[in-house]
Amino acid sequence: GQSLEQPSEVTAVEGAIVQINCTYQTSGFYGLSWYQQHDGGAPTFLSYNALDGLEETGRFSSFLSRSDSYGYLLLQELQMKDSASYFCAVRADDKIIFGKGTRLHILP
Amino acid sequence: AAGVIQSPRHLIKEKRETATLKCYPIPRHDTVYWYQQGPGQDPQFLISFYEKMQSDKGSIPDRFSAQQFSDYHSELNMSSLELGDSALYFCASSGGRAVNTEAFFGQGTRLTVV
Repeated sequence: GQSLEQPSEVTAVEGAIVQINCTYQTSGFYGLSWYQQHDGGAPTFLSYNALDGLEETGRFSSFLSRSDSYGYLLLQELQMKDSASYFCAVRADDKIIFGKGTRLHILP
Repeated sequence: AAGVIQSPRHLIKEKRETATLKCYPIPRHDTVYWYQQGPGQDPQFLISFYEKMQSDKGSIPDRFSAQQFSDYHSELNMSSLELGDSALYFCASSGGRAVNTEAFFGQGTRLTVV
């Protein structure tokens, strides 16, 4: 089976940098994805890492270490609109398995 | 660009009633997923279809069934509704089985069972 662990909540200040960690246990691992979800909204794809290293997309970056079964999402220059839940996820067969989600609170 | 369309957006049903949720995937996407998300919870995988055939199944109650039609739209049928079925139901689609294929989610159907 698959399981993903991530912190339930993180708090940061507007303009700062925050890192959300994710560790996983899965068979047949192909890569790690990150999704953002605002309250009442749909999950939105942010990034995907198949290989070790850092992927950067604007203010968001995602990192993967396959040997450590670990990844993280890095958000820079935080804005109030980044307040949301962030899910790491893995693809397994024809399903996507999500972690429990990290609620990001941003203080002005 | 076209997105995943779900209908209805909101649905209120009484216990023991039946509900049908519809999903219209992005054109030319061949995989459809259904998820259930309770308040403050992560999306729970229910079922998926690849090229109109059921391809994977999660923790979907026997009271629920789903199918994908020839035009690729999918329906989730829920019978003998219980209060605990109240949740957001998301449909997602992706355009291929490559593991790095992004899945696009619809805006969801909020089901309230009273």
